[in-house]
Amino acid sequence: GNSVTQMEGPVTLSEEAFLTINCTYTATGYPSLFWYVQYPGEGLQLLLKATKADDKGSNKGFEATYRKETTSFHLEKGSVQVSDSAVYFCALRGGGNKLTFGTGTQLKVEL
Amino acid sequence: EAGVTQFPSHSVIEKGQTVTLRCDPISGHDNLYWYRRVMGKEIKFLLHFVKESKQDESGMPNNRFLAERTGGTYSTLKVQPAELEDSGVYFCASSHLGQGAYEQYFGPGTRLTVT
Repeated sequence: GNSVTQMEGPVTLSEEAFLTINCTYTATGYPSLFWYVQYPGEGLQLLLKATKADDKGSNKGFEATYRKETTSFHLEKGSVQVSDSAVYFCALRGGGNKLTFGTGTQLKVEL
Repeated sequence: EAGVTQFPSHSVIEKGQTVTLRCDPISGHDNLYWYRRVMGKEIKFLLHFVKESKQDESGMPNNRFLAERTGGTYSTLKVQPAELEDSGVYFCASSHLGQGAYEQYFGPGTRLTVT
C-alpha cells in the first residue's frame, strides 16, 4: 500500500536559517504529492502541491520538487521566520481521493 | 466563505461512553472526509462521503465507529462504546467534486480523550 516517511522532529532553527524537511514515499502509479501545515490551534492548511514528476510546488517561500527517481518530495525554505513555527505534514494522493500522510514534523523557529 | 467547522473542539469521556463528533463542510462541497491522528503518529484516513453516500470506508477501525451524512450536508462520527485507543484528534475535510478535488480543506479537528 501507499506510505509516506518524513523526518522526525522536533526541528529547532534560528530565524533566517535554511530549512529542509525530508519526505519520501512509496506508492503504485503516479501519486500527487502535498505538504500541509498546521499552525498552533488551527486546522491543516495546504501549503503546496505537485501532481507529476519534476513539478515544483511553491508557496510562501517554501518549495518542494517531485522527484520520481528518488521517490522524494523534500520541503525547503531559504530563510525561516518565527511565524513558520508549526507542524508540517507530507502527504500523497494515489488512487481514489484519500490522502496518505506522514507522521508530521514539528518546526520551532527561535529569534 | 466559512471554512470547515467541527464540534466540539475538545471532548473528554470515560471508557465505555458514547461520543458524537460533528463536521460542517464548506457549503457546496460534495466530498467529505474523516481522518484521525493518534498521539504523535500519522494522520490516517477513516472514510469518504460523496454527498450522502459512503464512497470509501476502508479506514474505519471497527464497528464501534459509525459515520453518517444525512442529506449530504453535515456529517457525524459516533464512537460507541469508546475505548482508550480511540483517543486522538479527529479531522474532517471537504472538497469539490471534479476539478479541484485534489485540494481538501481541513477543519481544526476535535481532540478526543478517553480516560
